Amino acid sequence: DAGVTQSPTHLIKTRGQQVTLRCSPKSGHDTVSWYQQALGQGPQFIFQYYEEEERQRGNFPDRFSGHQFPNYSSELNVNALLLGDSALYLCASSPGYFRYGYTFGSGTRLTVV
Amino acid sequence: GENVEQHPSTLSVQEGDSAVIKCTYSDSASNYFPWYKQELGKGPQLIIDIRSNVGEKKDQRIAVTLNKTAKHFSLHITETQPEDSAVYFCAASIGMSGGGADGLTFGKGTHLIIQP
Repeated sequence: DAGVTQSPTHLIKTRGQQVTLRCSPKSGHDTVSWYQQALGQGPQFIFQYYEEEERQRGNFPDRFSGHQFPNYSSELNVNALLLGDSALYLCASSPGYFRYGYTFGSGTRLTVV
Repeated sequence: GENVEQHPSTLSVQEGDSAVIKCTYSDSASNYFPWYKQELGKGPQLIIDIRSNVGEKKDQRIAVTLNKTAKHFSLHITETQPEDSAVYFCAASIGMSGGGADGLTFGKGTHLIIQP
């Protein structure tokens, strides 16, 4: 049973560019959350998607946006990249909007130069 | 918003000894407290969780305790083994505030080192 799959695993972008990260949730999971993990820190909640709508949002600017598709997969988009956006971006899925039990993917390491 | 403090940042114990990691939270409305283990190059893995209506939960060598009055919770690992070496994160959530399960607020992590 495949867990949470994220792509790409690594990428390097230039300041000011835009990036799209992708996530396929664990089989049977329909809710997807995104987290940003800076080096040496705990993950920070960006937002959560359920039924193709953003349901919860953390303290992140509008440069961070997302989308959820009918098959429950999700994308995270970041516009106007800043050096401070360099981090590991984690996707977590759960088996329902009213349930916990998050399963995390291995993340996408984004480096902004 | 919620703030989670975690201590210590690094913990070194001898193989076979016990390890204890402590966390405090600020929002008394928090009611869900998971612990995650993160190995190098991997995402966090849920190892145990507890809800606010329970004071203690145990799963083999791992246990979590919760003191709602003091707003702190702890992870206890007994009979530590080399494979327990990793970074451990505590987290808290006020849960269901927006109609669904809320996002997690994480501590900064504890690097647990098991000395052979």
